[in-house]
Amino acid sequence: AQKVTQAQTEISVVEKEDVTLDCVYETRDTTYYLFWYKQPPSGELVFLIRRNSFDEQNEISGRYSWNFQKSTSSFNFTITASQVVDSAVYFCALREGSSASKIIFGSGTRLSIRP
Amino acid sequence: DAGVTQSPTHLIKTRGQQVTLRCSPKSGHDTVSWYQQALGQGPQFIFQYYEEEERQRGNFPDRFSGHQFPNYSSELNVNALLLGDSALYLCASSLAAAEEQYFGPGTRLTVT
Repeated sequence: AQKVTQAQTEISVVEKEDVTLDCVYETRDTTYYLFWYKQPPSGELVFLIRRNSFDEQNEISGRYSWNFQKSTSSFNFTITASQVVDSAVYFCALREGSSASKIIFGSGTRLSIRP
Repeated sequence: DAGVTQSPTHLIKTRGQQVTLRCSPKSGHDTVSWYQQALGQGPQFIFQYYEEEERQRGNFPDRFSGHQFPNYSSELNVNALLLGDSALYLCASSLAAAEEQYFGPGTRLTVT
């Protein structure tokens, strides 16, 4: 069965610190897609990244970087030099290749950046 | 370029009533998915519509039904509301089911 685990319920750091959000997934499919979404207090989910199971290259986008490791079934997200505006709930999610549509979300990590 | 829009923003209903939520997809998108997000949890997949048909469904009872119109907009209907149906209902659109989904701001439903 497919499952996404975000063990960190809440994280609080001081501004400018680096922070890593952990994500571990379970799937039996060999083809699957992993996602990260950000949910600010307004409630709207903001798409951050999609990674498919055949591409293990790490990705960097500005202060954001993602580390995908199939060997440990992990897809971790790091924010470098965090800012107060990064405060939000972050969700890791999985879609199996055999499922045309269903995305399974983790329970989320609430990130608070203190000034 | 308009993003995904949902109406209404907030809604208060009484147990046993029926509710209809509406969603307009992002311009150019033809697929709409609905999710329920209870407080403090991640979104749960309800169902997806493509070409006016329900393509896939999550573990939700038949009280949850939907519809997609020829212009790709969609409705989510919930009958016989329960207190446990109180949640943020999110609509997401995509161009075909295989692409990343873009979410609307959600409708917060409170059942009293």
